[in-house]
Amino acid sequence: QLVESGGGLVQPGGSLRLSCEVSGFAFSSYWIYWVRQAPGRGLECVATIKQDGREEYYMDSVKGRFTISRDSAKDSVYLQMNSLRVEDTAVYYCARGRMRWTNDAFDIWGQGTRVTVSS
Amino acid sequence: DIQMTQSPSTLSASVGDRVTITCRASQTISPWLAWYQQKPGGAPKLLIYKTSRLETGVPSRFTGDGSGPEFSLTISDLQPDDFATYFCQQYHTYWTFGQGTKVEVK
Repeated sequence: QLVESGGGLVQPGGSLRLSCEVSGFAFSSYWIYWVRQAPGRGLECVATIKQDGREEYYMDSVKGRFTISRDSAKDSVYLQMNSLRVEDTAVYYCARGRMRWTNDAFDIWGQGTRVTVSS
Repeated sequence: DIQMTQSPSTLSASVGDRVTITCRASQTISPWLAWYQQKPGGAPKLLIYKTSRLETGVPSRFTGDGSGPEFSLTISDLQPDDFATYFCQQYHTYWTFGQGTKVEVK
């Protein structure tokens, strides 16, 4: 399973660090994705990290502000979010790619953590 | 960026109905298309991957089809548990979701 934490209320321009703790499968074998859903809006994949942590991908609107990382010792993936904007307000989910070693559909999702950016 | 256009945005149906949701990609993505179900307050749940492959544990009344840029999700014999919002997703080039289709009680 995947369990997110770290969400909360933050002012515009502030920072938050989200965590996604993994259990029940071989953490180092799977890509992990951060997906957000703003109120009344659809789903956006904001950041992705390969199984070995050597490559990362970001959606354009978060490039330079968000950083994804993983710690194999803690079986965890992190999303460091800086220079937060009102439009970053959303529920953030982490999810796992189905197949080992490769990009795939997202078969396991966390319960989500809510991020609210407001003054 | 690949855009995913999903339709309809809302679909009213009754238990026992057969319903179809479509998704069109702005470029060829076949076969890297998935479908998810989401209920209020919950995370999305994977139903179909690689256009037509049924995820383990998903009832066989869910079927996926399509090629090139156009894809569909069909639910035959709609059950009470199926009233939810459905999203398509391409994972051919990065990752893009459709806007969602809410299946509601008629």
